[in-house]
Amino acid sequence: GDSVTQMEGPVTLSEEAFLTINCTYTATGYPSLFWYVQYPGEGLQLLLKATKADDKGSNKGFEATYRKETTSFHLEKGSVQVSDSAVYFCALSDGLNNNDMRFGAGTRLTVKP
Amino acid sequence: NAGVTQTPKFQVLKTGQSMTLQCAQDMNHNSMYWYRQDPGMGLRLIYYSASEGTTDKGEVPNGYNVSRLNKREFSLRLESAAPSQTSVYFCASSEVPGSDEQFFGPGTRLTVL
Repeated sequence: GDSVTQMEGPVTLSEEAFLTINCTYTATGYPSLFWYVQYPGEGLQLLLKATKADDKGSNKGFEATYRKETTSFHLEKGSVQVSDSAVYFCALSDGLNNNDMRFGAGTRLTVKP
Repeated sequence: NAGVTQTPKFQVLKTGQSMTLQCAQDMNHNSMYWYRQDPGMGLRLIYYSASEGTTDKGEVPNGYNVSRLNKREFSLRLESAAPSQTSVYFCASSEVPGSDEQFFGPGTRLTVL
């Protein structure tokens, strides 16, 4: 079945460092891809999404490009802030039935001042 | 708007006890979902309700039952709790079935001794 694999954490960075969190997927069709973020004590929030190959999703300085040839959707940010400390989840849906959204295991990011 | 609310925030049960997790949304969404979040495994779908009056099994439904009480409320019941059900439970909603953005509640941390 469809699945998502993302880099294991935790990841610890200094403020203003460059962030990459890797995500690769396995899917039989043409899925939509998502990054969700979970701040401490809260539920998940949609951070960005891409619905077809070569689309770039972006929000709050974060970006991810849907790469069909490498089946990847890596999350990047040029300069992280302490407030970016959270758990980040990569997810996919098969495009036909979003009741079956598959999540990666999550990557915990800690940004130190 | 409160968004998606869940009660309780924390619960400790003994093996064999029963309990109901409550979820409500005030966004007039049609679809609602229950997930569990376990370390290293991301979120897994337990049950969902595509619309009022319908419920369907997700990836890990065993040991759980659900009720879509009305459009706003979707409850999850554990009839006889087991230690394997120790987890963080998230409720989510979306505007329509197949909508790619789900809105999550803050979660319920359940421990079964």
